[in-house]
Amino acid sequence: QSALTQPASVSGSPGQSITISCTGTSSDVGGYNYVSWYQQHPGKVPKLMILDVSRRPSGVSDRFSGSKSDNTASLTISGLQAEDEADYYCSSYARSGTVIFGGGTKLTVL
Amino acid sequence: EVQLLESGGGLAQPGGSLRLSCAASGFSFNIYAMCWVRQVPGKGLEWVSGISYTAGNTYYADSVKGRFTVSRDNSKNTLYLQMDSLRAEDTAIYYCAKSPHTTIPVASDYWGQGTLVTVSS
Repeated sequence: QSALTQPASVSGSPGQSITISCTGTSSDVGGYNYVSWYQQHPGKVPKLMILDVSRRPSGVSDRFSGSKSDNTASLTISGLQAEDEADYYCSSYARSGTVIFGGGTKLTVL
Repeated sequence: EVQLLESGGGLAQPGGSLRLSCAASGFSFNIYAMCWVRQVPGKGLEWVSGISYTAGNTYYADSVKGRFTVSRDNSKNTLYLQMDSLRAEDTAIYYCAKSPHTTIPVASDYWGQGTLVTVSS
């Protein structure tokens, strides 16, 4: 199984919106509505931001939203804030109970 | 408060074994799937293994299939990962994580702090 494809880096200014893509195949992202997104600050544990493509866990800001089209999932962060600067990882159910992650995207808030 | 506390990491020789444990508290451990995710410091996340709430189903990444075994003891609220035939490329921080689902751990809503496994001679 190959990792899902994410851009290595994205950037935006405070207040702007950014979108991080996560591209897989019909055997993972395109085949199931089980895409998740995680935020990881340096030296910290990953935090679940989106599950089941577009569902936000309790306590996650509504500035974070998820969507999917065919084999590509997307995480959009609106009203960018300094504390959003972190690494973001997508994951998807793949097959036979397995999960695969994307390579990660470093978000820089300018 | 959900807490996941991993232990058992350390230094192992290539071909050797280690057993990781994850003590869970603050939630009904016996009704949620669990998984292990690893991360080489400075690198990305890699899903390693998962287990259903009853332990009736176990799942493995291709990279560890046949070498690692996941299990759980619901009476002790503890998740395990038996790692055999260790390789240098297994060196990573290993996280224990809880799923919001019962059967397949397709997402992880709580994570432990991780335990470092180093495989080296």
